Amino acid sequence: DGGITQSPKYLFRKEGQNVTLSCEQNLNHDAMYWYRQDPGQGLRLIYYSQIVNDFQKGDIAEGYSVSREKKESFPLTVTSAQKNPTAFYLCASSIDRGRYEQYFGPGTRLTVT
Amino acid sequence: GQQVMQIPQYQHVQEGEDFTTYCNSSTTLSNIQWYKQRPGGHPVFLIQLVKSGEVKKQKRLTFQFGEAKKNSSLHITATQTTDVGTYFCAGGYGQNFVFGPGTRLSVLP
Repeated sequence: DGGITQSPKYLFRKEGQNVTLSCEQNLNHDAMYWYRQDPGQGLRLIYYSQIVNDFQKGDIAEGYSVSREKKESFPLTVTSAQKNPTAFYLCASSIDRGRYEQYFGPGTRLTVT
Repeated sequence: GQQVMQIPQYQHVQEGEDFTTYCNSSTTLSNIQWYKQRPGGHPVFLIQLVKSGEVKKQKRLTFQFGEAKKNSSLHITATQTTDVGTYFCAGGYGQNFVFGPGTRLSVLP
């Protein structure tokens, strides 16, 4: 059963703590992405990766970090430097960047208090 | 910079009425994609348009790409309650995709 998994579905953290969101895909896709979605708003790109061991900042990378040590995995760390971390985080993948559809995971809803 | 606008932001329709959302870019797009996100869910790919003036249909959904490749529209004929959700366009600029803010559709039974 191919797809993208994100865990956990809901995550609660205290302010000042770093937290890592998991994203795994078994679609054999080269490209992976992290988006942030705030209530009633669109998707904003945090980071993307086209290949293992390489990743690029998106539009709102400040306060976030990623790694891509394996093709299947692209975890996102929300650091304490992120001013407003409470949001819905979506991971996606595609065959390659450019003219290919993106497959999204179910998302992680992060609440920081 | 690259920016994609969508109108309207919200649309409330009676079941059976038609619905249209519009997507606009200030610069020429290489392609455009449309996604649907159900309430509480994640975006799901609907279609991609590549050619100038292209029109594609999926049952009650009609997608158009403008002649100048700067705008696109999604039209739903005779809406049903299953059409509820937010519709996003994603404008392609070479290898980059920029998502529009989405149009949230509610359908009253």
